[in-house]
Amino acid sequence: GQNIDQPTEMTATEGAIVQINCTYQTSGFNGLFWYQQHAGEAPTFLSYNVLDGLEEKGRFSSFLSRSKGYSYLLLKELQMKDSASYLCAAKDSNYQLIWGAGTKLIIKP
Amino acid sequence: DTAVSQTPKYLVTQMGNDKSIKCEQNLGHDTMYWYKQDSKKFLKIMFSYNNKELIINETVPNRFSPKSPDKAHLNLHINSLELGDSAVYFCASSRGTGGSEKLFFGSGTQLSVL
Repeated sequence: GQNIDQPTEMTATEGAIVQINCTYQTSGFNGLFWYQQHAGEAPTFLSYNVLDGLEEKGRFSSFLSRSKGYSYLLLKELQMKDSASYLCAAKDSNYQLIWGAGTKLIIKP
Repeated sequence: DTAVSQTPKYLVTQMGNDKSIKCEQNLGHDTMYWYKQDSKKFLKIMFSYNNKELIINETVPNRFSPKSPDKAHLNLHINSLELGDSAVYFCASSRGTGGSEKLFFGSGTQLSVL
């Protein structure tokens, strides 16, 4: 079956760095997405990776290893507003998105 | 202007009632979706339309019926509401269905069935 695994919850300190991991098993692969969802709000797009390597976008970076079925989202210089859930999703061979349950990130002062 | 707008934001109703949720996007996208997010925060695809044609119809009860009058609108009608239907329903759109196409979500409809 198809599956996305990511930690349920993580805690980090303001100003620090945190890495949120995601492993995926899909029938075929057409890219991996990260979305941010603040409590009570809609998910918003953060990043897309389809090739191996690191994509950097400001304080956020996303990494992909296709051979390992693995991705991570790296958040630097954490701010209180980064407290949110981070959803990992992979596209399968039919271009359907398979979603993880999300990682709730708690930032402490 | 809001890119993807859905109404209502909150919907509280009794079991057995029929209700509708409306969604509109002004992004000129070809593809629209309905997702259900349960209390465990899993996003589950329910339906997807591409240029008004149904392309994804996951295993949902046939009490749920989507309607797309044009490619900018995708409404969701739910008959005979049940307690288990309580969830947040998100409408979303994307330019197309290709690999890199990202989703733009509406603000969600919190449905509570009493």
